[in-house]
Amino acid sequence: DIQMTQSPSTLSASVGDRVTITCRASQSISSWLAWYQQKPGKAPKLLIYDASSLESGVPLRFSGSGSGTEFTLTISSLQPDDFATYYCQQYNTYSPYTFGQGTKLEIK
Amino acid sequence: QVQLVQSGAEVKKPGASVKFSCKASGYTFTDYYMYWVRQAPGQGLEWMGWINPNSGGANYAQKFQGRVTMTRDTSISTAYMELSRLRSDDTAVYYCARGRYSSSGYQYYYYMDVWGKGTTVTVSS
Repeated sequence: DIQMTQSPSTLSASVGDRVTITCRASQSISSWLAWYQQKPGKAPKLLIYDASSLESGVPLRFSGSGSGTEFTLTISSLQPDDFATYYCQQYNTYSPYTFGQGTKLEIK
Repeated sequence: QVQLVQSGAEVKKPGASVKFSCKASGYTFTDYYMYWVRQAPGQGLEWMGWINPNSGGANYAQKFQGRVTMTRDTSISTAYMELSRLRSDDTAVYYCARGRYSSSGYQYYYYMDVWGKGTTVTVSS
């Protein structure tokens, strides 16, 4: 199985900050990586697919980059609505699809 | 708009089975795979499998092989997942999610673009 490791596990930041979350794959997944945002008690929401493609309706302050084994999700200027948990997920290999353990973005 | 409406919360005893439903609307049901993902309390996301609503073919995570069955009823645009021999560690929120794909040559790479709100299952004696 491909292991996905996110860092940090928790991130404290302030409104207006630029933040970056990293996701590393245990083997190359090309660009087949998605990022999801999840708020408490809610379903995950797709933000980024194919490592860097912004899902329709997602604010432009979100961006993704990377290929191979190292990927990043960047929020250029944090807004109050962005405090949530973020997950990466690889879909290079479908058996099984695997998620990172999550990064909780907290208000400083 | 695209919507996935999931069935209501369940409470089950260990050893029982549970069957979830996921009704799709706003798109052609047979054009997109359906995925199932679960999340135990305070934990991360775990992929369980997918079904191709067009063919009925399914693929299950090895962890759930023998305990999970995914089916669909195209006449009512609904996908189902049945999980048997429930244990206390099956207590979780179960999500269905629509699969969308990108392609590279003749290969297709699926990710989950629209999610249902989830169904909570509590397994307790």
